[in-house]
Amino acid sequence: AQSVTQLDSQVPVFEEAPVELRCNYSSSVSVYLFWYVQYPNQGLQLLLKYLSGSTLVKGINGFEAEFNKSQTSFHLRKPSVHISDTAEYFCAVSFNSGNTPLVFGKGTRLSVIA
Amino acid sequence: ETGVTQSPTHLIKTRGQQVTLRCSSQSGHNTVSWYQQALGQGPQFIFQYYREEENGRGNFPPRFSGLQFPNYSSELNVNALELDDSALYLCASSLGGQATYEQYFGPGTRLTVT
Repeated sequence: AQSVTQLDSQVPVFEEAPVELRCNYSSSVSVYLFWYVQYPNQGLQLLLKYLSGSTLVKGINGFEAEFNKSQTSFHLRKPSVHISDTAEYFCAVSFNSGNTPLVFGKGTRLSVIA
Repeated sequence: ETGVTQSPTHLIKTRGQQVTLRCSSQSGHNTVSWYQQALGQGPQFIFQYYREEENGRGNFPPRFSGLQFPNYSSELNVNALELDDSALYLCASSLGGQATYEQYFGPGTRLTVT
């Protein structure tokens, strides 16, 4: 079955420290991969996406993610976090090269501590 | 250019009642997707409308129905409300139905069923 797993439900990190939010998916077909951020009382905003090409994808707000096909992972990273990065982060996958709706993980709550 | 708007912001209904949620898509977008986000979960795809036709449906019962109007705004209707329908309902608009098109999310409607 096709699924998306975010391994950490909560990640606390000190300001200016690096962070990695993990995402794994289960699929035997080609995928498109996305990371979204949700601030309190707001909708989701796209951070970055992988459709094809370079496996290292750069997004907004200094975030980047790397697609690893052999490990079926798409981990999100930021070298130095700010208080304003505190939010819920969702990994999403469209299976069969974009021909299916987005399947979201359960989310990771990133809390940046001053 | 206005973003995606949803109304109402919050709603409280009683079990067995019916509810209609509304979404205005971003200017120029012809596709609207609806998602249900239960507390502590990622969004789950309900259905998508492309140029006024249903263009895909998730694993939701028929009592979840929708419409898209000529101006591409959309409604989500839920009949015979159940307690488990309590959730944040998100709509997202895009230029097309495939996952390659970025989805722009509204702030959501928080539905509480008592």
